[in-house]
Amino acid sequence: DIQMTQSPSSLSASVGDRVTITCRASQDITNYLNWYQQKPGKAPKLLIYDVSNLEAGVPSRFSGSGSGTHFTFTISSLQPEDIATYYCQQYENLPLTFGGGTKVEIK
Amino acid sequence: QVQLQESGPGLVKPSETLSLTCTVSGGSVSSTSYYWSWIRQPPGKGLEWIGYIYHSGSTNYNPSLESRVAISIDTSKNQFSLKLSSVTAADTAVYYCARVGAVASFFDSWGQGTLVTVSS
Repeated sequence: DIQMTQSPSSLSASVGDRVTITCRASQDITNYLNWYQQKPGKAPKLLIYDVSNLEAGVPSRFSGSGSGTHFTFTISSLQPEDIATYYCQQYENLPLTFGGGTKVEIK
Repeated sequence: QVQLQESGPGLVKPSETLSLTCTVSGGSVSSTSYYWSWIRQPPGKGLEWIGYIYHSGSTNYNPSLESRVAISIDTSKNQFSLKLSSVTAADTAVYYCARVGAVASFFDSWGQGTLVTVSS
């Protein structure tokens, strides 16, 4: 299985701050990397697919980059409604696997 | 816009079989563009892919669960189902059904999730 390691596991930032989350794959996954947002008690929501493509309706303050084994997810200006846990997910190989999640809180 | 809704018992006894159904509306499980998947999330933990099924009935499962899992599809009812046998407390989780692309495997539509507790 491809292991996906996210860091940090949690972070606290102020409204308006730039927030960056890292996701590392245990082997090369080219660009087969997606990002999800999960708010408490809700299902995950797709934000970004194939590293950097924004899902329809997702605010442009969210972005992604990377390739191979190292990927980043960025919120350019943190908003109160962005409080959630964020997950990366690879689909280079089965089984499909997710990172452990990064919980984002407001300072 | 496609919508997915899980249904099934919220409490299952140890060693028994967990059975859930996902009803799809606003879209068709017969679509050639998607797989239909189950994902679970133990309380306070991360996401685990269980497996998925294509409209043809072709399946792929997570090897960690493969010996206990069966996913089936009923195109006439626009539903797909999950069976997980010999459950233990470790199978207690929120179970989500989701649609995943057949070419690019991202989960673009999810059910709201249903909590299944394994307890006697």
